[in-house]
Amino acid sequence: AIQMTQSPSSLSASVGDRVTITCRASQGIKNDLGWYQQKPGKAPKLLIYTTSYLQSGVPSRFSGSGSGTDFTLTISSLQPEDFATYFCHQDFDYPLTFGQGTRVEIK
Amino acid sequence: QVQLQESGPGLVKPSETLSLTCSVSGGSISNYYWTWIRQSPGKGLEWLGYIYYTGNTKYHPSLKSRLTMSLDPSKSEFSLKLSSLTADDTAVYFCARRVATKPIYCYDSWGPGILVTVSS
Repeated sequence: AIQMTQSPSSLSASVGDRVTITCRASQGIKNDLGWYQQKPGKAPKLLIYTTSYLQSGVPSRFSGSGSGTDFTLTISSLQPEDFATYFCHQDFDYPLTFGQGTRVEIK
Repeated sequence: QVQLQESGPGLVKPSETLSLTCSVSGGSISNYYWTWIRQSPGKGLEWLGYIYYTGNTKYHPSLKSRLTMSLDPSKSEFSLKLSSLTADDTAVYFCARRVATKPIYCYDSWGPGILVTVSS
């Protein structure tokens, strides 16, 4: 199975900060990568699909980039509602797999 | 806007079979991969498998011998059966709609999740 490794596992940031989360695949996955945001007690919510396409309704401060094995989620200016856990997900090969998550906390 | 809702027991005994159903409203069953994903503190988010609207299925290799998914288009619902449960199967189970039409691959709608505890 393709392993997805996120870094960091957690981070503390302030409102207005630029935040970058990295996801590395154990083998190439082209650009078949998505990012999801999850808040406590809720289901994950789609932010970005196919590496860089913003899901409808998601604020433009979220962006994604990368290809092959290395991918990035960037939040350009962190807002109070962005404090959550973020997961990457590869949709390239079965079994489909998720990263372990990055928890974004308030500094 | 499509909505998904899981239903089933919250507590199941070890060695028994878990049966969960996901009801789909506000959208068509067609052309999507109806997926089950679970989340536990120890394993994070784990893809379990999907059933395509045609009835084709694909399961996680580690669960293949215990897992069965089915679909009832007339009721707009799909189901999961997981047998021979152990404590390791304790998790929040999510159903989700997967879009897989090149170049778009994603889960664009999720149910709220249902906590299933395996305990005697």
